[in-house]
Amino acid sequence: EIVLAQSPGTLSLSPGERATLSCRASQSVSTSYLAWYQQKPGQAPRLLMYGAYNRATGIPDRFSGSGSGTDFTLTITRLEPEDFAVYYCQQYGRSPPYSFGQGTKLEIK
Amino acid sequence: QVQLVESGGGLVKPGGSLRLSCAASGLTFRDYYMSWIRQAPGKGLEWISHISNSGSTKYYADSVKGRFTISRDNAKRSLYLEMSTLRAEDTAVYYCRGDYVFGGGQVYWGQGTLVTVSS
Repeated sequence: EIVLAQSPGTLSLSPGERATLSCRASQSVSTSYLAWYQQKPGQAPRLLMYGAYNRATGIPDRFSGSGSGTDFTLTITRLEPEDFAVYYCQQYGRSPPYSFGQGTKLEIK
Repeated sequence: QVQLVESGGGLVKPGGSLRLSCAASGLTFRDYYMSWIRQAPGKGLEWISHISNSGSTKYYADSVKGRFTISRDNAKRSLYLEMSTLRAEDTAVYYCRGDYVFGGGQVYWGQGTLVTVSS
């Protein structure tokens, strides 16, 4: 079973700043099967990135994904007020369970 | 537009059973893998079950294996989750999710249905 560890647990930044969120896997994950989600209170998660670095439809280009193997990163340049939310990574490779990270809360400083 | 609408949640006693449904519209249902994902109050996301687009392959998280059963009816464009021997720790919002079999980031979520297991 692949365990995903996200860091930091909480990230306090101001609008306009750059956010860097980490997702570390206990085993190698194919980049094809690593996704990032954004979730706001009371809402379902929204797909941001799939295949580690492909933006989903409608996601602004201030969001970018990178990484390979066991280390993946979601970067948000120039934070907008609507970006403050909880972010999850998920791996959905060949074998279940298709685990999620525990989440990173991005809050306004 | 694409909609996934869950139903069937509610209050159930420990040891009880419940059946969740997820009705899909606006997409070719048979072209989507489907999953159930849950979120306990104030907690993170937990993947619990997956079914292939044909329904022939099913996977479960260890936390629900043997108690939950996933199924689908492509003709009715519906996904189901039969839950039995429910425990307090099964209390959560249950989301259905569809993933296009050919990838490309076509992933859709429902708004969730709340299941509360309490005496």
